[in-house]
Amino acid sequence: LAKTTQPISMDSYEGQEVNITCSHNNIATNDYITWYQQFPSQGPRFIIQGYKTKVTNEVASLFIPADRKSSTLSLPRVSLSDTAVYYCLVGGDTGRRALTFGSGTRLQVQP
Amino acid sequence: DAGITQSPRHKVTETGTPVTLRCHQTENHRYMYWYRQDPGHGLRLIHYSYGVKDTDKGEVSDGYSVSRSKTEDFLLTLESATSSQTSVYFCAIEAGDSYNEQFFGPGTRLTVL
Repeated sequence: LAKTTQPISMDSYEGQEVNITCSHNNIATNDYITWYQQFPSQGPRFIIQGYKTKVTNEVASLFIPADRKSSTLSLPRVSLSDTAVYYCLVGGDTGRRALTFGSGTRLQVQP
Repeated sequence: DAGITQSPRHKVTETGTPVTLRCHQTENHRYMYWYRQDPGHGLRLIHYSYGVKDTDKGEVSDGYSVSRSKTEDFLLTLESATSSQTSVYFCAIEAGDSYNEQFFGPGTRLTVL
C-alpha cells in the first residue's frame, strides 16, 4: 500500500477555504485516493474519493494532478463543525481491501 | 446510518481475562473489519472478514481472534487481555458506491487494568 504524507495540523477561521495536501509518491496504477474525516469519539467518515483530475461532491472537492503523486482535499467555507482529523488513504484492489490510516491532519477551525 | 452497532460501548477489565466485542450490521454486507485506535494515531487493522467463516489477519492481529458465524455479526475476542490492548475499537463494513468505502461503528472503549 502506498505511503501517504500529510501535515500534522492546520488552523483556519470560519468561512475560509481550507486545502489539505497529501503526498503519495509511490501510488500504484490501480490505486484510488480516498479521504476520511474523524470527529472526536467517533469512527471515521468517508468524505470523497478520486482516481484522477477533479472530483466534487456536496462536502468537498478533491484535486489530483496528472502524475497522481499528490492530492488536495478542498473544504469550501469551513465552519466550526469542520474541526476534525482528516485522513488521506491510497489503495487499490489488492484483494485485501483493508484501509491503512496514517496519523492524519488535525484541522482546527476558529471563529 | 449504515446500521452498525457495537457492544459494549465501554468496558473495563483486568489483565488476563478474556473479552469479546461484538459488531452487528443490519444489512448483508460481505466485508467487515475490526480496527483499533490509540491516542494520537490513526486506525490499525486487526482482522477482517470477507464472508461467513472467512477471515484474515490485519497488521496488529497478535493477541486477537475473530469469528463470523452469521453475516450480520463479527466478533472480536481478546483471549487474555493485556494493558497494551487498552484502546478504542472500531468495527466497519464495506458499503457505498465508492471503492472500499467503509462505514464505521461508534466504537468500543476498552480499558485493561
